[in-house]
Amino acid sequence: GAVVSQHPSRVICKSGTSVKIECRSLDFQATTMFWYRQFPKQSLMLMATSNEGSKATYEQGVEKDKFLINHASLTLSTLTVTSAHPEDSSFYICSARKGLAGPYEQYFGPGTRLTVT
Amino acid sequence: EDQVTQSPEALRLQEGESSSLNCSYTVSGLRGLFWYRQDPGKGPEFLFTLYSAGEEKEKERLKATLTKKESFLHITAPKPEDSATYLCAVTYGQNFVFGPGTRLSVLP
Repeated sequence: GAVVSQHPSRVICKSGTSVKIECRSLDFQATTMFWYRQFPKQSLMLMATSNEGSKATYEQGVEKDKFLINHASLTLSTLTVTSAHPEDSSFYICSARKGLAGPYEQYFGPGTRLTVT
Repeated sequence: EDQVTQSPEALRLQEGESSSLNCSYTVSGLRGLFWYRQDPGKGPEFLFTLYSAGEEKEKERLKATLTKKESFLHITAPKPEDSATYLCAVTYGQNFVFGPGTRLSVLP
């Protein structure tokens, strides 16, 4: 199997606070994890790629100081939205890649709905 | 310009009415093409990986095919539970890019 979990599934926070989202690969080791953002009726937009033990690589236009990513182990990556604002409200989805080479399938978590009030 | 497009944007079918979804790509050095299904408020669910032109994969009522320029997801005799957004994604170089998706509704 290839199961990826996310926690929490929903979070509501006040403007100016920080929120941490966890992404775990439950039955495999993931050297690479990805964080996406999805707006209603739109496709997924890659925010950053995180490799275990190294700094994340952010896509153009994504503020690395606002979206802090930590990939401290082969099964856990975290995304912290710092000083959240209403425009950060979105659906955040993580994915994990199995193995280092060969099939490049990404397995996705169930997503986290963030609402900033 | 590297690009991934999907058509149609939305599709409504009657139960049992077979159809196909299209994913077209213009990228250099395709390493793989993927199909995912996404239900509202959930993460994408992996369906298929295709690596080379001529390749086909099947799973229940779904069949994915790949040419040098596009991929088709054929849905045979769909059921209401097949209603979802179907996303294709391509990987080339170090890139992994999603298409915009096709929203499929299957009416009973």
